[in-house]
Amino acid sequence: QQPVQSPQAVILREGEDAVINCSSSKALYSVHWYRQKHGEAPVFLMILLKGGEQKGHDKISASFNEKKQQSSLYLTASQLSYSGTYFCGTGYDRGSTLGRLYFGRGTQLTVWP
Amino acid sequence: DVKVTQSSRYLVKRTGEKVFLECVQDMDHENMFWYRQDPGLGLRLIYFSYDVKMKEKGDIPEGYSVSREKKERFSLILESASTNQTSMYLCASSFLEAGKGEAFFGQGTRLTVV
Repeated sequence: QQPVQSPQAVILREGEDAVINCSSSKALYSVHWYRQKHGEAPVFLMILLKGGEQKGHDKISASFNEKKQQSSLYLTASQLSYSGTYFCGTGYDRGSTLGRLYFGRGTQLTVWP
Repeated sequence: DVKVTQSSRYLVKRTGEKVFLECVQDMDHENMFWYRQDPGLGLRLIYFSYDVKMKEKGDIPEGYSVSREKKERFSLILESASTNQTSMYLCASSFLEAGKGEAFFGQGTRLTVV
């Protein structure tokens, strides 16, 4: 049930855009996005729920396509501070999984000046 | 402002030793998790707990055990440490339901088994 993230790595110049995808083989209830900078703990970015709206803050937003069983994270006009590894965590069936998330392998994003 | 605290940032242990990794959270979360993070493999769940004295196996529980005697504390135990358990260990906590909000992570413990 581990989701598949793509691409594995992205290299950008400041100001460029990026999209990170997270796909599941099973129907999703929730998708969480986290960013981890080198040597630090993962930090929560946003959560998307089945039937919910697209989320976003600042220049980072995400969508949730229930039919395709996937979520996409959009980074617009990237900044140096966006560099890090991005993880999606997927939740299935609200009642049975007791809050457990399945994390993808991560997408390493590097932004150059 | 600290929310999830892991007892050590770095640990070096010898093969065969019994190792305890401690995690404390101050957010009254029901769920607590132990993950192992290795390059290219993402976050792999070892064990999680949704209540005191309750535990569930994750994807890679072999060689590990856990203890949750109090709601705020979740311990990971390596019964007999081996070199293939050298890794970064991350503790996290969250509310009971996956949709209720974020998981908070500790800073991690870099364990080296020699």
